[in-house]
Amino acid sequence: QVQLQESGPGLVKPSETLSLTCSVSGDSITNNYWSWIRQPPGKGLEWIGYVYYTGSTAYNPSLKSRTSISADTSKNQFSLRLTSVTAADTAVYFCARDVGAGGFDIWGQGAMVTVSS
Amino acid sequence: DIQLTQSPSSLSASLGDRVTITCQASHDILTYLNWYQQKLGKAPKLLIHDASELETGVPSRFSGGGSGTHFTLTISSLQSEDVATYYCQQYDRLPRTFGQGTKLEIK
Repeated sequence: QVQLQESGPGLVKPSETLSLTCSVSGDSITNNYWSWIRQPPGKGLEWIGYVYYTGSTAYNPSLKSRTSISADTSKNQFSLRLTSVTAADTAVYFCARDVGAGGFDIWGQGAMVTVSS
Repeated sequence: DIQLTQSPSSLSASLGDRVTITCQASHDILTYLNWYQQKLGKAPKLLIHDASELETGVPSRFSGGGSGTHFTLTISSLQSEDVATYYCQQYDRLPRTFGQGTKLEIK
């Protein structure tokens, strides 16, 4: 079955860059779009953006100036970079398969990232 | 951005009750709406896509309806395993947006 797994540092200092990778198994990232979604502690879900294997991307305007999402077809992975982080970026970060009309049908377990000095 | 407003924000009901959660969109999104269930400490799970299409494996007590700006998620007979927070999400326009969530508990 299709599985997604987030990986990356759990602690990032303010003003630095948050970097996460999502490893995909059971599906090729050349199929579908692939999204990042985050959830601050005790709060709701926020879509960050998506990538298509061609490199085509779309971002939430609220984060666009600080966000970059890329895909690596050789490793069947996609990645998130969020620059100039603050405490407000502390959240669980989920990667998800984005089937457009079908929504986010497969999710990773989530990676908790804390922004703190 | 398209705003999604869910009501109620929290809900307490008895086992076997019929439960309905609503999601109001700020613009007409046709039927481009999904529903998710998120249990404590877990990733969300897609329950319904395209407003009313049940995902494979989701119990038939769950159903979705609506179009345009008004949508509903109904649980016909509440079970203990349905305790969770439910979110609606639109995909009519970017950015994809979620409702603020409805927390469902057992009375």
